[in-house]
Order: sequence, then C-alpha cells, then structure tokens
Amino acid sequence: QSALTQPASVSGSPGQSITISCTGTSNDVGDYHYVSWYQQHPDKAPKLLISEVNIRPSGISNRFSGSKSGNTASLTISGLQAEDEADYYCSSYSSINTQVFGTGTKVTVL
Amino acid sequence: QITLQESGPTLVKPTQTLTLTCTFSGFSFSTSGVAVGWIRQPPGKALEWLALVNWRDDERYSSSLKSRLTITKDTSKNQVVLTMTNMDPLDTATYFCAHRWTHLWSFDYWGQGTLVTVSS
Repeated sequence: QSALTQPASVSGSPGQSITISCTGTSNDVGDYHYVSWYQQHPDKAPKLLISEVNIRPSGISNRFSGSKSGNTASLTISGLQAEDEADYYCSSYSSINTQVFGTGTKVTVL
Repeated sequence: QITLQESGPTLVKPTQTLTLTCTFSGFSFSTSGVAVGWIRQPPGKALEWLALVNWRDDERYSSSLKSRLTITKDTSKNQVVLTMTNMDPLDTATYFCAHRWTHLWSFDYWGQGTLVTVSS
C-alpha cells in the first residue's frame, strides 16, 4: 500500500493555472473512479476539494477541477489566488479495500 | 451541521497503547452508509490513512498497521474509538477523525486533529 506520488512543490503567479499530478497504479488510481483531493492550510485540518475524480462538493470554487488518465489523476487550479497557497493531497481507493493518500504538494503563489 | 472532535492523551510512552476517541454530531451510525475513519499526519509530513468503521460494523485497516490497530464504534454515544498498540516515537503525529459516506472514498468532514507525542 504505497503512497501515491505527487510533485513536492508547484508554483505559479496570481491569475495563472497550475496542475498537480497524482500517480498511482492499476491497483488504485488506474482502476477506480474514487480519487479525491484535499487542501490543507498550515495547522488546519484537510478540506475536501474534489471527490470521485471530478466532483466538487457544494461550496467549492469552480476554479478547482479534477481529471484522470490511466494511473495518473490531476488537480488544476485556475485563476490562482494568494489564498490557494497551501498543501494539496490526493487520495484513492485501493484494491485491498482501503484508502491511500498522496505524498503531498506544496503550492506557492509567487 | 456535522462536527467531529478528537480526544485523548497528548503524550504517551514508547510501548504503551494509545486510545483516541472521536465524538461527533450531525449524523448517526443508525443511518445507512455512514462511516468514520482515522487519518494521521506526522509533523511536516503527509497524511496517512489508518482505519475505518461503517454503520454495519465493517472495519478496514491500513495493511502496514493492521496488527496494531483496532477501531470500534459506539452508536449510542456517537463515538468512534481507535486503539494503537506498541507506540513508537515514529507514531508521533496529529491524528484526525473524519466522516465519509461508504459509497464514496472521500472524507467530507474532518475533526481539528489532536497531536500525540510518543516520548519517554
């Protein structure tokens, strides 16, 4: 049950779009539609941004969008804002009927 | 309004057993499809999924920690308890509990987390 692989850091200027990748295997991301994304500000609990690959819960800005291709899922943040500076984690259902998180990505707004 | 709150010791000694309680409101295990899970995060590190229990008492555990974990629920008290045996300094982390619907594999409501330090 290895962690999903994310880039350690991604940065962008205000107004730009950035994409965070999340790479797993055919035992998790590749075979299931249960990829979710979380945003975590320092010393705060994670906040659900995306569930089931591309579904935004109520109240989540449409600047956040998710997709998946093969064993890699992606989170795109468009119109980057200062408040988007945070850590981001992906997560997926795993074939052994458990759940696995990603290694985390620190987003910096330049 | 769904809320969850973790409680338990802030400091445990190596080899001791940790017992954490998640007390929640706004939902009930009497409702079909409800699940509560535990996730931890060592300081400065990534989230790690630990365990889950659902309304039918189905339990799921991280494969790497399964031998040390037990998760139980108390429907009447609206609580979920996680025990972790043989604590080690590497288990120092903030422990979160969170709500999930069984048919979805995403946690939509989280507690604020509780920091547990393992040290002699």
